[in-house]
Amino acid sequence: AQTVTQSQPEMSVQEAETVTLSCTYDTSESDYYLFWYKQPPSRQMILVIRQEAYKQQNATENRFSVNFQKAAKSFSLKISDSQLGDAAMYFCAYTPPLANSGYALNFGKGTSLLVTP
Amino acid sequence: EAGVAQSPRYKIIEKRQSVAFWCNPISGHATLYWYQQILGQGPKLLIQFQNNGVVDDSQLPKDRFSAERLKGVDSTLKIQPAKLEDSAVYLCASSLGRIFTDTQYFGPGTRLTVL
Repeated sequence: AQTVTQSQPEMSVQEAETVTLSCTYDTSESDYYLFWYKQPPSRQMILVIRQEAYKQQNATENRFSVNFQKAAKSFSLKISDSQLGDAAMYFCAYTPPLANSGYALNFGKGTSLLVTP
Repeated sequence: EAGVAQSPRYKIIEKRQSVAFWCNPISGHATLYWYQQILGQGPKLLIQFQNNGVVDDSQLPKDRFSAERLKGVDSTLKIQPAKLEDSAVYLCASSLGRIFTDTQYFGPGTRLTVL
């Protein structure tokens, strides 16, 4: 079974600064997808960024980028120029490329990000 | 494009009572997921449908939980009878479901409190 570990229950960052959220995972698959989801207090889960394991280039979406270290099974999220609206729970998630698994997401426990003015 | 709709948003019941949640996925999305999110944890898959067939229900407590997807569109999740440990947010998500790169879109969830 695949497991996703987020070792930081809470993180804090000042507005305009940069913060990195950590995630490690365990899998025996060689190809898979990794995701970061954001869940604001309103509870609607929103996709932030995703990375396919066979792609060596780290994914980037505006102020959000990842550091994907496949050998170390590490997938961290960097948020640059943090904004008050970035405050939320952030979940790291994994899905294997197996059709019969249904591509359901395996989530970590989340990291609560606080952004201070 | 309308998002994933869920109702009710909140529900409070007493243990041993029954409750049902409804989900309307994004139009055209073949795959529908129900996740359970207990406070302080990440969502956990309960059941997944591809059109109106079940793909994975291995983590669904079938002695008390049931789910169906009507005509491959709307879905209902039922708990009967509810236990205290069922208190959680129930999230519905949908995707095109063609390949694993298809993004899952989540609804706002239903917060269930069992007293």
